[in-house]
Amino acid sequence: AQKITQTQPGMFVQEKEAVTLDCTYDTSDPSYGLFWYKQPSSGEMIFLIYQGSYDQQNATEGRYSLNFQKARKSANLVISASQLGDSAMYFCAMRESRGNNRLAFGKGNQVVVIP
Amino acid sequence: DTGVSQNPRHKITKRGQNVTFRCDPISEHNRLYWYRQTLGQGPEFLTYFQNEAQLEKSRLLSDRFSAERPKGSFSTLEIQRTEQGDSAMYLCASSLLGKRGGNEQFFGPGTRLTVL
Repeated sequence: AQKITQTQPGMFVQEKEAVTLDCTYDTSDPSYGLFWYKQPSSGEMIFLIYQGSYDQQNATEGRYSLNFQKARKSANLVISASQLGDSAMYFCAMRESRGNNRLAFGKGNQVVVIP
Repeated sequence: DTGVSQNPRHKITKRGQNVTFRCDPISEHNRLYWYRQTLGQGPEFLTYFQNEAQLEKSRLLSDRFSAERPKGSFSTLEIQRTEQGDSAMYLCASSLLGKRGGNEQFFGPGTRLTVL
């Protein structure tokens, strides 16, 4: 069964605007972590932000914030003030405490920032 | 901190040949992971090490695949008798067990394998 679902089609975003990338997850583990990674065309996976299942507040890292809705099992990424360098694939991933630290990734969201 | 490095960055081989990839993790990281990513998909977990011990292997890791981390530092991933279906990006990541927070994994640039 797919643990991470990212179903949005490719997105075009105007520079300086905000964009929200959807991610839903499936787990019965009470302790888990959620991650977002960015993969530009060069191929390297770049860590962006982390949210723990027991964290009371939504995570923020600079222009990235995570809208964590535990009851809905969603962990959407919000990128504020988009820049041209934000054009990339974005992957949501989950680590379950029973999963030996391995990450389960979604299929990704393609974002293209236009000037 | 030089980050995770992988060599080679690209490998083209003929079906049936053996290939070996190397990963050098961030120096103080004790956990090392291998993932495989095919076109249009997210990375899929293959195996991971804590220090020199290989603690888990995915069912994706057939008998033709073997990974080692002999001294708990760099790791190698070998694929024997390559098949066209092995063509993919092979990603290595490392993390530090015990670090507060998410124990986030830091990825290398990957090795892109093409099997002809």
